[in-house]
Amino acid sequence: TQLLEQSPQFLSIQEGENLTVYCNSSSVFSSLQWYRQEPGEGPVLLVTVVTGGEVKKLKRLTFQFGDARKDSSLHITAAQPGDTGLYLCAGDGSQGNLIFGKGTKLSVKP
Amino acid sequence: DAMVIQNPRYQVTQFGKPVTLSCSQTLNHNVMYWYQQKSSQAPKLLFHYYDKDFNNEADTPDNFQSRRPNTSFCFLDIRSPGLGDAAMYLCATSPRLQETQYFGPGTRLLVL
Repeated sequence: TQLLEQSPQFLSIQEGENLTVYCNSSSVFSSLQWYRQEPGEGPVLLVTVVTGGEVKKLKRLTFQFGDARKDSSLHITAAQPGDTGLYLCAGDGSQGNLIFGKGTKLSVKP
Repeated sequence: DAMVIQNPRYQVTQFGKPVTLSCSQTLNHNVMYWYQQKSSQAPKLLFHYYDKDFNNEADTPDNFQSRRPNTSFCFLDIRSPGLGDAAMYLCATSPRLQETQYFGPGTRLLVL
């Protein structure tokens, strides 16, 4: 069974702090996606990583895909209140579906 | 802009009264998905269509049905909503299976 475990489950920080969210599995994925979901809205795609060891940057967000393609991390530099939301990682499942982690709920206080 | 649209954004229904949620897409993607998401949980896949081929997840209750009359539209029918079916329902699309999925804004269903 393919599983993605995200940690931490909850994170509450002050504006300006840095943070890292982790997404780990014992399974290999050909790609992983990161989504951010705000309350009452659908998940919005942030990035897709497909190559082991790949690093992608999106402004203050840095995404890394592990060399073995079993894990990924999301690092946010100088977090802002607008970064608040549920961060979901998802990997392509063997049945053609998307395997979601349970998410990290981030709260950035001004 | 190409997008995934869900209507309505909020739906209130009564216990046992059938309800239909709709999704449309302008992306011309082959695959359309329906997910159920309860508070602070990850989305749970209910089923998906690859073109006209319907694929039901093993643990999706019979109470949930879907229709895809054409490439652009997909409907979620809940035949007899129970209180436990109150959730956010998300529609997503992808060009093909195992490719990045793009989500609509969701429909929040309330069952009274």
